[in-house]
Amino acid sequence: AQSVTQPDIHITVSEGASLELRCNYSYGATPYLFWYVQSPGQGLQLLLKYFSGDTLVQGIKGFEAEFKRSQSSFNLRKPSVHWSDAAEYFCARGPLLTGGGNKLTFGTGTQLKVEL
Amino acid sequence: GAGVSQSPRYKVTKRGQDVALRCDPISGHVSLYWYRQALGQGPEFLTYFNYEAQQDKSGLPNDRFSAERPEGSISTLTIQRTEQRDSAMYRCASSLTGTAIQETQYFGPGTRLLVL
Repeated sequence: AQSVTQPDIHITVSEGASLELRCNYSYGATPYLFWYVQSPGQGLQLLLKYFSGDTLVQGIKGFEAEFKRSQSSFNLRKPSVHWSDAAEYFCARGPLLTGGGNKLTFGTGTQLKVEL
Repeated sequence: GAGVSQSPRYKVTKRGQDVALRCDPISGHVSLYWYRQALGQGPEFLTYFNYEAQQDKSGLPNDRFSAERPEGSISTLTIQRTEQRDSAMYRCASSLTGTAIQETQYFGPGTRLLVL
């Protein structure tokens, strides 16, 4: 079955340091990929998405992600982390086929802690 | 409304009781999705609707779970004869048309269900 893997359950970075959260997917030559952020008490918020074109995608809050087909990866990056970025981050992919609805398959999430 | 709303935000029930979880999508959104998120996991798809029609219920774990969206707006997820394993965060999302595979899903804050 198609899956999304986030290898890192927890990551701690210092404020101002760079960040990279890993995401790998299985199946599908052209996956539709998303990164969501979940802050405490909030719903999931879309950071960015990729479906075609330029493999480097810019999102909100200074985040970007790069799609690498050869590595089946869609890692999320930020050059300088702010304390307010502490949250849980989820990578997700869309369905394999069009017409099959838009249900998302999520990874297990990475909890980001930011040290001041 | 401005975003997706869900009620109640927290629900504590005893094993064997029925519960009904409500989702009010963004006004005008055609598609509505239900996901379940166990502790330490990513959201898992349950079911989705386009207007009032339930398009896919493949993620509902068993026949104790059902969902409806009778007027194509508000949706109710019902769990009958709750069991402790049903304890989770139940999330609702909506999207504008449901036809574009890369369309953004907007998530509500979720309902935290605890079955004692």
